[in-house]
Amino acid sequence: DTGVSQDPRHKITKRGQNVTFRCDPISEHNRLYWYRQTLGQGPEFLTYFQNEAQLEKSRLLSDRFSAERPKGSFSTLEIQRTEQGDSAMYLCASSPKGGYGYTFGSGTRLTVV
Amino acid sequence: AQTVTQSQPEMSVQEAETVTLSCTYDTSESDYYLFWYKQPPSRQMILVIRQEAYKQQNATENRFSVNFQKAAKSFSLKISDSQLGDAAMYFCAYRSAFFHTGNQFYFGTGTSLTVIP
Repeated sequence: DTGVSQDPRHKITKRGQNVTFRCDPISEHNRLYWYRQTLGQGPEFLTYFQNEAQLEKSRLLSDRFSAERPKGSFSTLEIQRTEQGDSAMYLCASSPKGGYGYTFGSGTRLTVV
Repeated sequence: AQTVTQSQPEMSVQEAETVTLSCTYDTSESDYYLFWYKQPPSRQMILVIRQEAYKQQNATENRFSVNFQKAAKSFSLKISDSQLGDAAMYFCAYRSAFFHTGNQFYFGTGTSLTVIP
C-alpha cells in the first residue's frame, strides 16, 4: 500500500451532470476525510468518516453532495447537478486512530463547463 | 471557529539560504496541534512538521524548524539551506486536540515559495 489513491485525477463535466469520485485510503487507516480546495485557497473540510460511519459534515456539503464509505474501506463522493462553482480540487485524506496528521491523496480536479 | 492566517502569499529564497514563513491562528482552545504541509506542483500534500501546543520545545525536522509562540498564537516555519525541491505551496494548519472538534483541519491560504538557483 503506497498511500491514498484518488480516481480520476481530472474530470471535466458539463453543468447539470452528476459526477462521482473515488478515494482508497491507506488500508490500516480507519479515518477518512474529504476536502475541497479552490484556486488560491487552502483546503476546506467537507466530511469525515470513522470506519463506515459518516460522523461529521460541513455546511459546505450541500444537498447535492453525498459521500459514502461502505464497509469502511474506499469512499465515494458524488456531486449531483454540478454547477460551475463546484469546480475545484477534491482532496481525500486518511489517518489512523489516534494519529495526529493526515496522509493526503493527489486529488481529483473537477472542471464544470 | 478557528482561523489560520498566512499573510505572505509569495516568498522567494536563494538556494542554500534560509527563509521563514509566517502563520498566525486564532483559537480559544488550550490544547491543539499545528502543522505545516507542503504542496508541490504534483499536488499531493506532504506533512513537513508538527507541533503539539502543550510542548514548549519547538519542533525540528532536519532542515525544517518552527518557532511556536503560544501566547502570540504564532507558528512560523524556518527552512534552512533551501533546496530547489523546497519550491512549493506551504500551508499552515490547525487541529483541535479535543475529540469532538478535532476531526478537521483548518488551513491557511498558503504561501508560494520560490527557490532561486
